[in-house]
Order: sequence, then structure tokens, then C-alpha cells
Amino acid sequence: EPEVTQTPSHQVTQMGQEVILRCVPISNHLYFYWYRQILGQKVEFLVSFYNNEISEKSEIFDDQFSVERPDGSNFTLKIRSTKLEDSAMYFCASQKLLGGSTGELFFGEGSRLTVL
Amino acid sequence: AQSVAQPEDQVNVAEGNPLTVKCTYSVSGNPYLFWYVQYPNRGLQFLLKYITGDNLVKGSYGFEAEFNKSQTSFHLKKPSALVSDSALYFCAAPIYNFNKFYFGSGTKLNVKP
Repeated sequence: EPEVTQTPSHQVTQMGQEVILRCVPISNHLYFYWYRQILGQKVEFLVSFYNNEISEKSEIFDDQFSVERPDGSNFTLKIRSTKLEDSAMYFCASQKLLGGSTGELFFGEGSRLTVL
Repeated sequence: AQSVAQPEDQVNVAEGNPLTVKCTYSVSGNPYLFWYVQYPNRGLQFLLKYITGDNLVKGSYGFEAEFNKSQTSFHLKKPSALVSDSALYFCAAPIYNFNKFYFGSGTKLNVKP
């Protein structure tokens, strides 16, 4: 069964350093997302991406964050200068179609980011 | 504003007993509602969804959910709980055109042998 894959599974970084989290969405999906979950808490929307541009972003997704789909398969989240409060589990998700009969998100296993 | 609420942080149930995990919604228009499960140290897995049609929706692992418009609820149920059902459960609703999902705060289900 196709799945969303994420790397790394866990990254530890120093405050102020740049971090890139990578995701390979399911190949025939068109919509891509990043969500984050601070330890055991709510799952929060960060950004959605379609047709090589951001569709929507939350207030969390400030200028320190960026997303990119550099080739036909990878979808990356970059945090330019990490802060302590960026420590969280980051989930990539993909979606085949918006609405209609297929609307569910398929999530990766997550990348745990620890900022020291 | 679209939102979902999960009033219980934790639900405890004995194996073999029926379980219910509650979710209420506040959405404009026709609600689309989803349930996801998160096992420890794993990503979220889709369980089931309500888009339209029958109010009782059947999903993965023997779970089902009942859409109740008058009570604005979408409770997750299972007739007989398993220890392996112990996990974190999230109710979710898409915002506007499915471009963004709003997740509830999550309910931790503990099934004791």
C-alpha cells in the first residue's frame, strides 16, 4: 500500500540553526500539507501546498518557515532559524483530491524535532 | 468558524466492553467529519469519514461513528473494545474546500485487559 514517508525520524538541533524536514508524498496525490503536534497535544495545521504554491498557511507559519517541492517527489519544510518552541513532531500529509469522495489525508510517521 | 470538540481527554474501558469517544462539531453548511487514530510514536491513520448519506458510518478495525445532526455530534464507537485499540483518537473537520483540516484536541483511549 502506498504511504507517505518522512525523514529524518528524529532531529536534534541547536537554537538558531536551520532545519529541513523531508517528505515523499504518495505519488498520485496532488495536495500536500505540513502539520505539527507539540508533545501529546493538538495537531495543528501549518501549511497546504498545491500546484507548486502555498494554498493556505496558518499564523504559526511565519517568515521562518518555508516549503518547497524541488522535484517531482520530495516536499520539504524548512525552518530557517529554529526556536525552542519549534520542538514538536512534524507530520507531512498528502491528499489525492479535495472534497468529493476522497478527502482523507494520508499522514507520514512524523519527524520529531528537538531544539536545544 | 468551523471547529470540532472532544470533551473527554481520556476514556477508560475494559476489554470486551463497548466504547464511545465523543466529538461535537460546529460547522456551517453540510458537515464533513473524520476520525483519525494515532498509535504511540506513529503518524495519524484515517479511520472513517462522514460526507453524506447514512448516519452510521463504518470504518477500519471494527470502528463506526454515528452522525447526529440534531445533537451536532459524531461519536466514535466500537461494540467490543480490544487492548490494541488503546491509542489517541482525533476528530477532524475540513475547513471550507478541504484545503485545511481542523483537529480536535484528541482523546486518549485506554482499554484495560
